[in-house]
Amino acid sequence: KAGVTQTPRYLIKTRGQQVTLSCSPISGHRSVSWYQQTPGQGLQFLFEYFSETQRNKGNFPGRFSGRQFSNSRSEMNVSTLELGDSALYLCASSLDPTSGAPSYEQYFGPGTRLTVT
Amino acid sequence: AQSVAQPEDQVNVAEGNPLTVKCTYSVSGNPYLFWYVQYPNRGLQFLLKYITGDNLVKGSYGFEAEFNKSQTSFHLKKPSALVSDSALYFCAVRDGGNNFNKFYFGSGTKLNVKP
Repeated sequence: KAGVTQTPRYLIKTRGQQVTLSCSPISGHRSVSWYQQTPGQGLQFLFEYFSETQRNKGNFPGRFSGRQFSNSRSEMNVSTLELGDSALYLCASSLDPTSGAPSYEQYFGPGTRLTVT
Repeated sequence: AQSVAQPEDQVNVAEGNPLTVKCTYSVSGNPYLFWYVQYPNRGLQFLLKYITGDNLVKGSYGFEAEFNKSQTSFHLKKPSALVSDSALYFCAVRDGGNNFNKFYFGSGTKLNVKP
């Protein structure tokens, strides 16, 4: 079974631009979560999508948004980029715990390294 | 609120020696606990989880973790460390309430295994 894939792997943008990152979950996984990883803040939860609906949201400004498609693929968008948005953005997928025991671990993609200059 | 603490930023151990990476947690309700490992420029890889049952959980690559409810700890262990185990390790707890699939991660512990 193919793992979680993320595109692009690396991205360089300038302040004020916007960016869209893509994530394809493991086949059969309908829950997709996004995280921002930085050396100073560690792993921070951005949001989680299930069945094309945002189910959970972390404490990030409205410039960060996302969506999920009917095939469970997900995108996240960051508008009006700031220098502080430079980070590794990780996507993770899992089976839906509401359909059974809440024991499902998340599987992570390799991440997209975003650099804002 | 759920939270996870990894008190050590870095752990150094010699190859062949046992290793322990510490994790403590705070949850309301039943704890669902996980360990992940991250190699440079890679995503996180799942190692093991505790949901219920035996307090000693075995996972990938010879790692195991001990769940201790009274001490609210979930320490990662390995009897004999390898140089290739050098990586960043994260402990995580999953929200067991209505916010399904919201994971809280510790700050990470860098494991250095020296030959």
